[in-house]
Amino acid sequence: RKEVEQDPGPFNVPEGATVAFNCTYSNSASQSFFWYRQDCRKEPKLLMSVYSSGNEDGRFTAQLNRASQYISLLIRDSKLSDSATYLCVVTGSGGSYIPTFGRGTSLIVHP
Amino acid sequence: SQTIHQWPATLVQPVGSPLSLECTVEGTSNPNLYWYRQAAGRGLQLLFYSVGIGQISSEVPQNLSASRPQDRQFILSSKKLLLSDSGFYLCAASRGNEQFFGPGTRLTVL
Repeated sequence: RKEVEQDPGPFNVPEGATVAFNCTYSNSASQSFFWYRQDCRKEPKLLMSVYSSGNEDGRFTAQLNRASQYISLLIRDSKLSDSATYLCVVTGSGGSYIPTFGRGTSLIVHP
Repeated sequence: SQTIHQWPATLVQPVGSPLSLECTVEGTSNPNLYWYRQAAGRGLQLLFYSVGIGQISSEVPQNLSASRPQDRQFILSSKKLLLSDSGFYLCAASRGNEQFFGPGTRLTVL
């Protein structure tokens, strides 16, 4: 089983739609969780951290479910500019600071 | 806030030629530094990481090497490039758990 798994997609949604991605992780000792966004041929950029209590930033909401070992990202009112690959990142398991990246979920928002 | 510089942005090299990619970090001291490679349509592969000057850990066996001659300088090298070395090379830095990436170098080996 891969350490961090994501559905590669692509998720193809119309503008204004709500879309959700899940990411599962295998190590129950993982400490920190993040979502990154990567545009085509660009570097990944931190989108948001994921806390146990969940967190929201505008149209984006991230949730952590430790019992089921997954994190989620919800995007409301999708914009064309949301089209990108969304990477799930897990770190801090077993005292390690080395992050583990998922392979990403591709989102395409169309008019 | 920290800024990560990488150069060159793109590079085309023949098989068997040497390689040197440089990464420098501004705005933070004593960061952890990382080199990743991303092949076309694939995920990020961690190549090397460093927790301090002269300290390098390799994650995968390969014909690449890394060095950290200064606190905020990280260099990726190869003596002889292979076709399979083509990819998007990303340098990253972290203090704490969040990582920040440089703009990357797109390497094509012909």
